[in-house]
Amino acid sequence: AQSVSQHNHHVILSEAASLELGCNYSYGGTVNLFWYVQYPGQHLQLLLKYFSGDPLVKGIKGFEAEFIKSKFSFNLRKPSVQWSDTAEYFCAAHGSSNTGKLIFGQGTTLQVKP
Amino acid sequence: DADVTQTPRNRITKTGKRIMLECSQTKGHDRMYWYRQDPGLGLRLIYYSFDVKDINKGEISDGYSVSRQAQAKFSLSLESAIPNQTALYFCATSDDHDHRDGRQYFGPGTRLTVL
Repeated sequence: AQSVSQHNHHVILSEAASLELGCNYSYGGTVNLFWYVQYPGQHLQLLLKYFSGDPLVKGIKGFEAEFIKSKFSFNLRKPSVQWSDTAEYFCAAHGSSNTGKLIFGQGTTLQVKP
Repeated sequence: DADVTQTPRNRITKTGKRIMLECSQTKGHDRMYWYRQDPGLGLRLIYYSFDVKDINKGEISDGYSVSRQAQAKFSLSLESAIPNQTALYFCATSDDHDHRDGRQYFGPGTRLTVL
């Protein structure tokens, strides 16, 4: 079955700490991968996406993610977090046969302490 | 994304009541989706519609129904609300190009509480 799994459910960091949020997917065939972010009280926004090509993708606000096909992973990273990065982060996958449907991971709540 | 709006933003109701959540979009997208978000479970797809005449069940459609009144409007109904339908509900859209990539645009969400 197609699935997306996020390892960390709640992460607490101090400002300037480095961030890595794990995401693994289980899919047959071609897959597109996404990270969405939900700031407190706001809707989901696209942070970055991977379709093909360079496995290291850069998104908004200094975030990046690396697609490692052999590990079925798409981990999100940021070298130095800020208080404003406090949010919930969702990894999502879309398979070529899914006709537009996204499969979401469980979400990771990131709390950055000033 | 201000192009996707949801009403109401918050609703408290009682068990057994009928509730309708509405979604409107000005993006001109054909494809619309309803998700519910529960802590620790992420977003789960309830229903989706690829055009006005095409409506499909998602992974958790039981207890819900939808209506696609126009390209721009997609409503979600709870015919007889129950407490385990307490959740945050999101509407999303995508167009014919983006759907192949999977990118969706989300509304602000409706927080529903069923007592």
